[in-house]
Amino acid sequence: DTGVSQDPRHKITKRGQNVTFRCDPISEHNRLYWYRQTLGQGPEFLTYFQNEAQLEKSRLLSDRFSAERPKGSFSTLEIQRTEQGDSAMYLCASSLAGVSGANVLTFGAGSRLTVL
Amino acid sequence: KQEVTQIPAALSVPEGENLVLNCSFTDSAIYNLQWFRQDPGKGLTSLLLIQSSQREQTSGRLNASLDKSSGRSTLYIAASQPGDSATYLCAVRDFGNEKLTFGTGTRLTIIP
Repeated sequence: DTGVSQDPRHKITKRGQNVTFRCDPISEHNRLYWYRQTLGQGPEFLTYFQNEAQLEKSRLLSDRFSAERPKGSFSTLEIQRTEQGDSAMYLCASSLAGVSGANVLTFGAGSRLTVL
Repeated sequence: KQEVTQIPAALSVPEGENLVLNCSFTDSAIYNLQWFRQDPGKGLTSLLLIQSSQREQTSGRLNASLDKSSGRSTLYIAASQPGDSATYLCAVRDFGNEKLTFGTGTRLTIIP
């Protein structure tokens, strides 16, 4: 297993277009998280899944954002009608929630979105 | 609402020196605290995780401490090397909450 994979690594789009990012977690991990990071800031939580169930969504996730994790494997994050303020690095992380409770997250390299 | 602060925002030290990075948080009811490293344009690499019941964790030249009552954590890096140059982020997980709240990071530069 090569860790958490994200695709594409960089997306440039025009305002108003839709974009979709994909995340492939570590295969045995049951939790998957999306975070957004703007320049000079720490990552901000967007949403997370346990298996295929989306258990929490941040208020940052407006109606234009939707995330799915069909069959509890890979996940997609779609942004509709992109705005310049959506320009950011979108980070995916996965973890194995178990009895130890530590729940250490493994992050992917991120998908950088630039909205012109 | 949990807030995490990291000061300074940037730090430059000569190679070989020991250094300390600081992290403070406003709500002491945390489940754990993690330190991450982020290289430019890259994702995050977990360095150390401290559970709320622990006082410190060590990995190689890194030592992280946690003082929950005062809302502070430090990351100590011994014998710094140019390869340690990166942004270091701390993040806390509150009880009953799955999300991590991150600080804005300290950009560390080790001068050869």
